[in-house]
Amino acid sequence: IAGITQAPTSQILAAGRRMTLRCTQDMRHNAMYWYRQDLGLGLRLIHYSNTAGTTGKGEVPDGYSVSRANTDDFPLTLASAVPSQTSVYFCASSDNSIGYTFGSGTRLTVV
Amino acid sequence: GQNIDQPTEMTATEGAIVQINCTYQTSGFNGLFWYQQHAGEAPTFLSYNVLDGLEEKGRFSSFLSRSKGYSYLLLKELQMKDSASYLCAVRDPDSGAGSYQLTFGKGTKLSVIP
Repeated sequence: IAGITQAPTSQILAAGRRMTLRCTQDMRHNAMYWYRQDLGLGLRLIHYSNTAGTTGKGEVPDGYSVSRANTDDFPLTLASAVPSQTSVYFCASSDNSIGYTFGSGTRLTVV
Repeated sequence: GQNIDQPTEMTATEGAIVQINCTYQTSGFNGLFWYQQHAGEAPTFLSYNVLDGLEEKGRFSSFLSRSKGYSYLLLKELQMKDSASYLCAVRDPDSGAGSYQLTFGKGTKLSVIP
């Protein structure tokens, strides 16, 4: 692993199903973030975590939950998926250096 | 909150110069980033401005005026591979321990034509 790994790369999900998007980093960054990216709307923050054991809500948190049990992992869960959650999801991390490091993204389609 | 505006699309010719503007109104400001994103890929870091003025890095330069809430990204000697979306992002005041939130503009899709 080098940087941030997201899984799966893509997924088609039936509405109403539960889904967890995985995000793992090996850089020991304190802070991690989940964004969704939609055409015409750009990147919007869903949830964030400043350090292990803490989480916070971003701009569009409804329908999503996160946990941060350790420094490396920051999974995003959709408890009951709806079609409006069709999007590309990016996980990112940051430390005291400049800029976020982004994962390669998960393309999710809810049908 | 943050309000960030940038043009939706731009087209420029290979070898030319293009300037992508970004204006922002924010409740807090701790710097401005530019990211490049090719279709189907993750954003990648281009530049960061926290003080007024021009930062030059090869063919790319970025300018910031905090009093005007304005930034631009300047791309010189355009190449076909520069066709991508360019994202302007404002950095909120830090939460400590390297944690800070970025608010992104909707992005400018640049098409470079021969």
